[in-house]
Amino acid sequence: EVQVLESGGGLVQPGGSLRLSCAASGFTFSDYAMSWVRQAPGKGLEWVSVISGSGGSTYYAVSVKGRFTISRDNSKNTLYLQMNSLRAEDTAVYYCAKNSRYCSSTTCPTLVPWGQGTLVTVSS
Amino acid sequence: QSALTQPASVSGSPGQSITISCTGTSSDVGSYNLVSWYQQLPGKAPKLMIYEVTKRPSGVSNRFSGSKSGNTASLTISGLQAEDEADYYCCSYARSNSVVFGGGTKLTVL
Repeated sequence: EVQVLESGGGLVQPGGSLRLSCAASGFTFSDYAMSWVRQAPGKGLEWVSVISGSGGSTYYAVSVKGRFTISRDNSKNTLYLQMNSLRAEDTAVYYCAKNSRYCSSTTCPTLVPWGQGTLVTVSS
Repeated sequence: QSALTQPASVSGSPGQSITISCTGTSSDVGSYNLVSWYQQLPGKAPKLMIYEVTKRPSGVSNRFSGSKSGNTASLTISGLQAEDEADYYCCSYARSNSVVFGGGTKLTVL
């Protein structure tokens, strides 16, 4: 079964850092681009970032560019999101998702499956 | 990149059909047939319902269908059922290698 499972969320102070992880199983991890999407409490979905299967291409939303870094370790089947200079508005559930096999490019709106999410709270 | 525009809420009675619109621009919905729709049940992760404007993944009911005209994509649910009550989000590829979501629509089955 294809699965992705996020971890690493928690409470962090404004200006602090946090690294999220996403463990993947059930598919050849290096064959697929992977994305992070977040959802603030009671709000809608917001695309955050995507990384190609090789890790050679990365793209970011304007709201996080320069503060967040997406990376992957294909030997460990794990995706990461390093979040620095965190702000209150970064508070959200962060989902990891795999690009569908239907995607023809790294940046793709067809994501399946999604993990259950990990909550990041930025507050003093 | 601005979010795509969806109605905040729609409602319908069991057995009826409803349509949720998703309006973007020529930089996203209007220029690419790369629009997906997701269903999110309370407290759950989003589930892919439609991709590439009109295509249904295996396992998704044929009561769900998608279409697009100009800068506006639409999701139609026919034969509405109580289990369809959820939040629905559209999502599109956008110029300059980004992805943009709609603000979400809460579907209420009366």
